[in-house]
Amino acid sequence: SQQGEEDPQALSIQEGENATMNCSYKTSINNLQWYRQNSGRGLVHLILIRSNEREKHSGRLRVTLDTSKKSSSLLITASRAADTASYFCATDPFYGNNRLAFGKGNQVVVIP
Amino acid sequence: NAGVTQTPKFQVLKTGQSMTLQCAQDMNHEYMSWYRQDPGMGLRLIHYSVGAGITDQGEVPNGYNVSRSTTEDFPLRLLSAAPSQTSVYFCASSSQRGRMNTEAFFGQGTRLTVV
Repeated sequence: SQQGEEDPQALSIQEGENATMNCSYKTSINNLQWYRQNSGRGLVHLILIRSNEREKHSGRLRVTLDTSKKSSSLLITASRAADTASYFCATDPFYGNNRLAFGKGNQVVVIP
Repeated sequence: NAGVTQTPKFQVLKTGQSMTLQCAQDMNHEYMSWYRQDPGMGLRLIHYSVGAGITDQGEVPNGYNVSRSTTEDFPLRLLSAAPSQTSVYFCASSSQRGRMNTEAFFGQGTRLTVV
């Protein structure tokens, strides 16, 4: 079964707007990671947040993690057409070995 | 630095045929994984390895074999292809820094069609 579940599943926004995606998970984790996938391509790592961190920034990306609620959010600020992609959260379970469990993905379309 | 390299990029098989998807990484990562991606299903883990000589099953291992004879290579074998194995396959590798797991690096994928 999927560990991560993203919400909403699909998002369409205007260029310049912010995009927020949520991810929930079920078990204890070492870290949670977000990936981007452009159509027909491999996944590219965006940001990793560890279980003892609550917020992390990378450029226009902001990730939060609430381990008490077993949830995370990814915020993309000032979106660009190039941000059009699918975004996946993945959890690294507490028992380790980086055996990532992925959510089903969240398709974001940024309209120029 | 090539990262994770998968071959082939595209493949069409007939039902019952066997084949091997190749995956190689040049980052000296100890962890390597195979995932399949189907529409609406996200990525599902097929097989996994924590180092040379060590493999383990993931969420959907049936119909697939793996081996890890070297750190660099992690081939995925389809024993007898079935239409249900039509999918996009991704290989990934990752490591640890200071006993903390790091991000995964993915290959570009192999699009497999079984007819």
